[in-house]
Amino acid sequence: QVQLQESGPGLVKPSETLSLTCSISGASVTSNTCYWSWIRQPPGKGLEWVGHVYHSGSTNYNPSLTSRVTISLDTSKNQFSLKLNSVTAADTAVYYCARDMYVETVPIGFDYWGQGKLVIVSS
Amino acid sequence: DIQMTQSPSSLSASVGDRVTITCRASQSISDYLNWYQQKPGKAPKLLIYGASTLQSGVPSRFSGSGSGTDFTLTISSLQPEDFATYYCQQSYSSPFFGPGTTVDI
Repeated sequence: QVQLQESGPGLVKPSETLSLTCSISGASVTSNTCYWSWIRQPPGKGLEWVGHVYHSGSTNYNPSLTSRVTISLDTSKNQFSLKLNSVTAADTAVYYCARDMYVETVPIGFDYWGQGKLVIVSS
Repeated sequence: DIQMTQSPSSLSASVGDRVTITCRASQSISDYLNWYQQKPGKAPKLLIYGASTLQSGVPSRFSGSGSGTDFTLTISSLQPEDFATYYCQQSYSSPFFGPGTTVDI
């Protein structure tokens, strides 16, 4: 059974860097059949895709965040991470990590999610 | 970027009702459309992928249809556990979500 778990600080000061890690069990971050993604949800609002990383380390980000976001892999720990710099109150959200699965190159969506990590940006 | 819209933004229904939610893409996405259900305080759950394929374990009262730009999610007979928010998401390019449809009593 695939399980994802987000970890990291729940409170970040404005202008600083938000850092989260997603630990994976039951699957490998080196799999070539999926992308590993971050998705966020501000309180009371909808889902916003932040970006993803492939097993090769290649990344793709939401254009609205691309200047501030970095997603990377740690294959030795079977984890992937999110860094979002220069945060403001608008970055306050529940941050989810999720697996974006493909079957024979056909996308089947985000089939496994972490439980979510609330990150509040406040001084 | 491909933008997604959903209608209605919310609806009120009763147990046993047939419910239909519509999702529209700003350009053709073939059948690269997925549906999710989210309950308060929980992560979203994948219901349907490829516009019409039911994810394993999802009840058969859920169904999806459409291709190109227009898609629908149908719940044939609403159950108490189906009151939730539903999101569509396109997999044709960068995976953006629709704004969501809340189904409540």
